[in-house]
Amino acid sequence: DAKTTQPTSMDCAEGRAANLPCNHSTISGNEYVYWYRQIHSQGPQYIIHGLKNNETNEMASLIITEDRKSSTLILPHATLRDTAVYYCIVRVPNDYKLSFGAGTTVTVRA
Amino acid sequence: KAGVTQTPRYLIKTRGQQVTLSCSPISGHRSVSWYQQTPGQGLQFLFEYFSETQRNKGNFPGRFSGRQFSNSRSEMNVSTLELGDSALYLCASSSTANSPLHFGNGTRLTVT
Repeated sequence: DAKTTQPTSMDCAEGRAANLPCNHSTISGNEYVYWYRQIHSQGPQYIIHGLKNNETNEMASLIITEDRKSSTLILPHATLRDTAVYYCIVRVPNDYKLSFGAGTTVTVRA
Repeated sequence: KAGVTQTPRYLIKTRGQQVTLSCSPISGHRSVSWYQQTPGQGLQFLFEYFSETQRNKGNFPGRFSGRQFSNSRSEMNVSTLELGDSALYLCASSSTANSPLHFGNGTRLTVT
């Protein structure tokens, strides 16, 4: 399975965009990039996923490089409620053995 | 649409006891998977069910078991509890093979 590498932590000012990088240099052709976040004492929350095209939904945007070796999650206007641990994972369809790693602890400051 | 519901939210058991956790998936989702999350080991896959059949299983001892009912609701059981079973147990559901997994808020199990 491909593995991902994320920075341990990052700070972001409230109201500004938060750009979270993720490296997945060994990703295979049928693996999707997924982003989740987890707030303390809650279950992981699905944010967005994509294969090779950039994706946007009401929560965030996902930018995947052309070679698919890295991606960036963009939270366009961070709020205090976006403070969480963010996980970038790669997954093939029908694979349930997810590996979340340590993720990036994002702290949004007022 | 209601999310994944897990009950109970918290449980305290003693060593040697058994426990049953419940999960109600999002309406229409037929796949339910279970995970154990601990600070030291992170998220570990237990098993996955689809249409009442276990399709995938992780590397956990036989003390961990599960089942799925015809309405897609699922239960997992842990027998002969050990201190090391203390963890957050998460359930996730999905509608198709390539759709995202949606997690519940988990059951926090403490074994004393």
